[in-house]
Order: sequence, then C-alpha cells, then structure tokens
Amino acid sequence: AQSVAQPEDQVNVAEGNPLTVKCTYSVSGNPYLFWYVQYPNRGLQFLLKYITGDNLVKGSYGFEAEFNKSQTSFHLKKPSALVSDSALYFCAVRDPLGGYSTLTFGKGTMLLVSP
Amino acid sequence: GAGVSQSPSNKVTEKGKDVELRCDPISGHTALYWYRQSLGQGLEFLIYFQGNSAPDKSGLPSDRFSAERTGGSVSTLTIQRTQQEDSAVYLCASSLGLGRGWNTGELFFGEGSRLTVL
Repeated sequence: AQSVAQPEDQVNVAEGNPLTVKCTYSVSGNPYLFWYVQYPNRGLQFLLKYITGDNLVKGSYGFEAEFNKSQTSFHLKKPSALVSDSALYFCAVRDPLGGYSTLTFGKGTMLLVSP
Repeated sequence: GAGVSQSPSNKVTEKGKDVELRCDPISGHTALYWYRQSLGQGLEFLIYFQGNSAPDKSGLPSDRFSAERTGGSVSTLTIQRTQQEDSAVYLCASSLGLGRGWNTGELFFGEGSRLTVL
C-alpha cells in the first residue's frame, strides 16, 4: 500500500519566520513525493517533487523540501514566511513499482501566516 | 485550452436527482483523473483514464457513480440518485501519458466542481 500522513491539521507562523509543514509516507519501494498547494476556491497547484537524486529539492515560491529516507519524511520548508503563503498544503506519494495508477494524497495542512 | 477546465463550478441539486460534471483536460494530456475533496477528508481518488479506457476505477464509491471519456479528451463524471453524502468538491486532473513524464506523477488540476445535495 502507499499512504501519506500529515500530522498537523493547521500550522500557524508569523510573517518572516521560518515555516515547516510535516509529511511522512509509507511505500514498499522508493517513493515519488510531491507537494501541492491549494488557495481558496482554487484547484491544486504543483509546488515541488522528489523523484531521485539530491535529498533537498527546491520548488516554486521559495519553498523547499527534504527527503529523509530513514525517517520516511518529506517536510516542506520555507526560510521566511509570507502572508500570501497562507493556504492548504497537500503532500502526496506514489510508489512507481506498486502498481498504483496515481498519487495518494494526505489530508492537507492549513498554513496560516499572520502579519 | 491552457489549463484543465471544469464545469459547472457550482451545482446545487436535490437528493435523488442525477448530476453530470464535465472536465476538459490540457490538450495533449492522455491521462485524466477524478478526485473528490470533502471537508477534513483530503483528496479521495475516484477513477483514472488513459486515453478513453479506465484501467483503474477502484475509487468509485458506489455503482451510482460512473465516468466516461470520449475522443481521448473530455470526461464526464455522472452521479445518479444523489445523496447528501455526495456533497463535495470534485476535482479533475490531467497529466502527460505513459513514457512522457507520466511515471513521475505530476498532475495538473482544474478548479473543481462544488456539488451541494440538499
């Protein structure tokens, strides 16, 4: 099975502070990992992905994520949060050898950045 | 079009009525997916199309749900005899087909169709 967990329903951070949104995954093989962002009343937008190679991946809007195989984690990070980063963030996983057709998403974490 | 287009953006219906939701994927994307987003439930996979065939229908919650895709493009998700628990946002996504980045799984989403069953 492939699954992903986002342990926090909501993360609050002040503008200018670093932010972390947590994600852990479970697959039988090597995972493909993704972060998506959803702004109010909009569809999901791709932020970044890890397929192979460097464990630290950089994506859109200054976000980055670190793949940690030993901890089965793929936490999303940003050095300095903006109010405009406030949105719903989804982590997703796919096991390319698992026979799954598509991504499995977490339940989402609401990020609220206060001025 | 430039992005994935879904219609209607909002649909309010009465319990027991049938509804149709439409998705027009990005031109050239052979893979198409339907997801359901309910409050507090994240994204629930419903069905996947490759071309006009649906090799994975495992997420359809009941036989009241069906979907088809014609011409390798537009897809319609049909919900018969709607129930209140069907209320959700239905998201469509598309991606490049097999051998062209599909295996990295990057999906492009529409803005969704919000269904409210009274």
